[in-house]
Amino acid sequence: AQTVTQSQPEMSVQEAETVTLSCTYDTSESDYYLFWYKQPPSRQMILVIRQEAYKQQNATENRFSVNFQKAAKSFSLKISDSQLGDAAMYFCAYRSAGRDDKIIFGKGTRLHILP
Amino acid sequence: DGGITQSPKYLFRKEGQNVTLSCEQNLNHDAMYWYRQDPGQGLRLIYYSQIVNDFQKGDIAEGYSVSREKKESFPLTVTSAQKNPTAFYLCASTKDRGVWDAYGYTFGSGTRLTVV
Repeated sequence: AQTVTQSQPEMSVQEAETVTLSCTYDTSESDYYLFWYKQPPSRQMILVIRQEAYKQQNATENRFSVNFQKAAKSFSLKISDSQLGDAAMYFCAYRSAGRDDKIIFGKGTRLHILP
Repeated sequence: DGGITQSPKYLFRKEGQNVTLSCEQNLNHDAMYWYRQDPGQGLRLIYYSQIVNDFQKGDIAEGYSVSREKKESFPLTVTSAQKNPTAFYLCASTKDRGVWDAYGYTFGSGTRLTVV
């Protein structure tokens, strides 16, 4: 079974600085999808970025980018120019490319932004 | 605008009662999911359904039941057999997808269930 591990329960970063959230996963599949979700205090889940495993190029969405290392099964999220609105719980998630559509989530990293 | 609506936002249950959480989507999504969120536990899958009139157990299905009579609706019943139901419940949906594409989920805004 696939697993997703986020080893940092909490992190803090100064406003305008850069922070990297770590995520590792375990799978025997070669084709899959990875996601980062953000859950602000409102508790509404928001998709931040996604990565297809067959693509070598790292995904980027404005200030958010990933470092996808397929061989190492690592999928870290980098947030540049951190803003107060980035304070949230961040979940790393995995989805098989097969018929099973379930998404498996890590336990999350709570990110604090220091003014 | 299309989206997922969960109701109620807050729900209180007495010991021994069954309660039903509503989840409705107007996105024409095929698959729907229920997750439970506890502090420090992330999101754990309760049940999911990929087509009408069919659903599968997730990792923590004991004490819960679901139905999928309509594509738009996937209600979750928390039964009296669920010993620790106090949690935040999230409903999600996704399009069916082809082999070379994938979508993340669209989430509802959640229901906070508390046992009193």
